[in-house]
Amino acid sequence: AQKVTQAQTEISVVEKEDVTLDCVYETRDTTYYLFWYKQPPSGELVFLIRRNSFDEQNEISGRYSWNFQKSTSSFNFTITASQVVDSAVYFCALSEAYNQGGKLIFGQGTELSVKP
Amino acid sequence: SAVISQKPSRDICQRGTSLTIQCQVDSQVTMMFWYRQQPGQSLTLIATANQGSEATYESGFVIDKFPISRPNLTFSTLTVSNMSPEDSSIYLCSARQGGSGTQYFGPGTRLTVL
Repeated sequence: AQKVTQAQTEISVVEKEDVTLDCVYETRDTTYYLFWYKQPPSGELVFLIRRNSFDEQNEISGRYSWNFQKSTSSFNFTITASQVVDSAVYFCALSEAYNQGGKLIFGQGTELSVKP
Repeated sequence: SAVISQKPSRDICQRGTSLTIQCQVDSQVTMMFWYRQQPGQSLTLIATANQGSEATYESGFVIDKFPISRPNLTFSTLTVSNMSPEDSSIYLCSARQGGSGTQYFGPGTRLTVL
């Protein structure tokens, strides 16, 4: 069965600190996709990144970076020099291959609080 | 990316009534989905809304409780029927465009059942 685990329920940091959000997944599929979404207090779900199982290159986008390691089934998310506006719940998600429906399985989420 | 709107954005309803939530996408999409997010919890898929045919429901969700329509490639509705306080949640619509694979989400409908 497919499963996503975000072991960190809550993280609190002070502004300008770096923070890493962990994500570990389980799947038997050879083709799959991994996602990170941000859910600020307003409630909408904001797409951050999509990574397919054949692309293990790490990605950097501004202060955000992602480390995908198939060997450990992890897809961790790092925010560098955190800001108060980064405070939100972050969800990691796994999608099965699209020809099988492509539904998303979400982790439990990590609530990040960045204090000034 | 697809822009998705939902109506209503929030509602307070009485036990035993039904509420229909609308989801509109600004472009034609292959797949549309409905998720539920109970207070303080993660998102759980309710069903995949299939255009022109019956929705595909996940385990634990049934058509009588959550009837879904998808009359075309840009619009879907989810009805929460015979509501109870346990149905108080955020209901989110999402859509995926063709082979790009990314699911984009609507702003959600916050439902409170008294």
